[in-house]
Amino acid sequence: NAGVTQTPKFQVLKTGQSMTLQCAQDMNHNSMYWYRQDPGMGLRLIYYSASEGTTDKGEVPNGYNVSRLNKREFSLRLESAAPSQTSVYFCASSDFGRNQPQHFGDGTRLSIL
Amino acid sequence: GDSVTQMEGPVTLSEEAFLTINCTYTATGYPSLFWYVQYPGEGLQLLLKATKADDKGSNKGFEATYRKETTSFHLEKGSVQVSDSAVYFCALTPLIYQKVTFGTGTKLQVIP
Repeated sequence: NAGVTQTPKFQVLKTGQSMTLQCAQDMNHNSMYWYRQDPGMGLRLIYYSASEGTTDKGEVPNGYNVSRLNKREFSLRLESAAPSQTSVYFCASSDFGRNQPQHFGDGTRLSIL
Repeated sequence: GDSVTQMEGPVTLSEEAFLTINCTYTATGYPSLFWYVQYPGEGLQLLLKATKADDKGSNKGFEATYRKETTSFHLEKGSVQVSDSAVYFCALTPLIYQKVTFGTGTKLQVIP
């Protein structure tokens, strides 16, 4: 009963390093999302993919890229990490539609020094 | 654009107290409304939802009613437990669905 799986759970990077956060879902959902969560800011949408083969920018896309590898997997890449990208990153998935709830992974806690 | 406003936290209550967490929204048309809960170290999970005016969502003793006239979706529980300590997020999806808009979250701490 995995749901949404994110890897890694924790990561420390140096400024300028790159990395990819991985996300996979086993619920056959069409839509997938990447959020960042910062204290007092709630959840902010970085990128989303309404269906396989499409991706769109969210509220805070600068400094990030995404790849919808297939229906199950949606990765988030930081090309040149900056301290401002220190955050907790959540991947979510859902069926497409306004009444469909989102299902979240447990997050990746990323610190950039 | 769409927005969700939640009451500032943290909220600290004694066990068995009554809980209200306020949520108001701004959106075009009639959105769907959700409450999510986040326990420490975990992702958000759906608590309840309501998809049209006057609907009442309920789950695990929590309730919220979709009030179109006041654009509100306040979360209530009659008797909180220590295990209810978490962060609660109000959220909406617009009539023409694109993405979810979340509030900033309200932290609830229940003390024995």
